[in-house]
Amino acid sequence: QVQLQESGPGLVKPSETLSLTCTVSGGSISTYYWNWIRQSPGKGLEWIGYIYYSGSTNYNPSLKSRVTILLDTSKNQFSLKLSSVTAADTAVYYCARCAYTYAGLDVWGKGATITVSS
Amino acid sequence: QSVLTQPPSVSGAPGQRVTISCTGSSSNTGAGYDVFWYQQLPGTAPKLLIYGNSNRPSGVPDRFSGSKSGTSASLAISGLQAEDEADYYCQSYDSSLSGSRVFGGGTKLTVL
Repeated sequence: QVQLQESGPGLVKPSETLSLTCTVSGGSISTYYWNWIRQSPGKGLEWIGYIYYSGSTNYNPSLKSRVTILLDTSKNQFSLKLSSVTAADTAVYYCARCAYTYAGLDVWGKGATITVSS
Repeated sequence: QSVLTQPPSVSGAPGQRVTISCTGSSSNTGAGYDVFWYQQLPGTAPKLLIYGNSNRPSGVPDRFSGSKSGTSASLAISGLQAEDEADYYCQSYDSSLSGSRVFGGGTKLTVL
């Protein structure tokens, strides 16, 4: 079955760019919508955005100016870049899949903890 | 402040039935977008529990059921078990946010 695995640096300095990669195994990335979601400590879930296998994207308006999601079909990976981070961006970041535009998130990664601190 | 409103906590004894509400507005749940429910066990990633308002993915026990009417949706859990203790989140989409996926603030279910 399809599995997702996030990877990233763990610690990012304020004002720098957070970079995370999600590796898709057990299936092709060349269908579906590939999402990023985050969860701040003790808080709820916040959708960051998605990329479709065609390369089209949709971002949360509250983060849109700082977010870029890219796809690398040759590596079966997609990535998240969040610029100008602050302590408020400290969170567990999840990657997840959905089958079509308004579908549920049916496969999730285990999450990557990102701390923003100097 | 979450776009969708859920009670912060609910509780019930083993074997009982509990419901968790999710209230939105005319730009999300009231606009005809489906509602989804996720279960998040402590220290784990969320898991899709209900899709399309009332459908269960394969492997989800029929003790879990979902419904939607107007701007509100509900998740019902019958025959409560200790393993159901978790956080539950509803999710829909919002036309006023460019079709963004929006979540409720989450409800902590405690099995007494």
